[in-house]
Amino acid sequence: GAGVSQSPRYKVAKRGQDVALRCDPISGHVSLFWYQQALGQGPEFLTYFQNEAQLDKSGLPSDRFFAERPEGSVSTLKIQRTQQEDSAVYLCASSLEAGRRYSNQPQHFGDGTRLSIL
Amino acid sequence: AQRVTQPEKLLSVFKGAPVELKCNYSYSGSPELFWYVQYSRQRLQLLLRHISRESIKGFTADLNKGETSFHLKKPFAQEEDSAMYYCALSADTDKLIFGTGTRLQVFP
Repeated sequence: GAGVSQSPRYKVAKRGQDVALRCDPISGHVSLFWYQQALGQGPEFLTYFQNEAQLDKSGLPSDRFFAERPEGSVSTLKIQRTQQEDSAVYLCASSLEAGRRYSNQPQHFGDGTRLSIL
Repeated sequence: AQRVTQPEKLLSVFKGAPVELKCNYSYSGSPELFWYVQYSRQRLQLLLRHISRESIKGFTADLNKGETSFHLKKPFAQEEDSAMYYCALSADTDKLIFGTGTRLQVFP
């Protein structure tokens, strides 16, 4: 596909369950970002990968959140023991490369996964 | 702290009227600023970035470091401009810091 692909589009889980959200970045994109967007808010940064290296995870709200990108392409965001406050849209974005100020490649976003915790 | 403020949740105008979506940022260094747009049932997409200094779909935005603003402007709004607009800041790292967004409604 031409764009960032995220699955599932919708996920409903009971409080306490674990969930896994998948992101397929644009082929060849080095950088991958995860954002969380609560209702009525802008996206908030969670974590960032450059290839398989997780360079920034400062936005992960708790140790229940874990992200990986083992082969430098597909990434998975896992949330353990989900809570109601985890309900949000989770966005994935990729860019060709990053790390150089003023020549940053733009981030391309997926459609997101809408997570609802009952 | 790095922050982006979009003071208007909703902006309603009639077709042909000028539009200005406000964005203010808080950052002590030299930021990179972006406007992202999300049309109904579509994904978030880049509209423009300040370093490009270009006009996209008739929209322009000028970085004003003195006022720490990056307002988005269009002289004549069109109905197809109706969407959610997010201002974003990229500071020391490559992550984006978004504002809360402004919904633009353009009435016929």
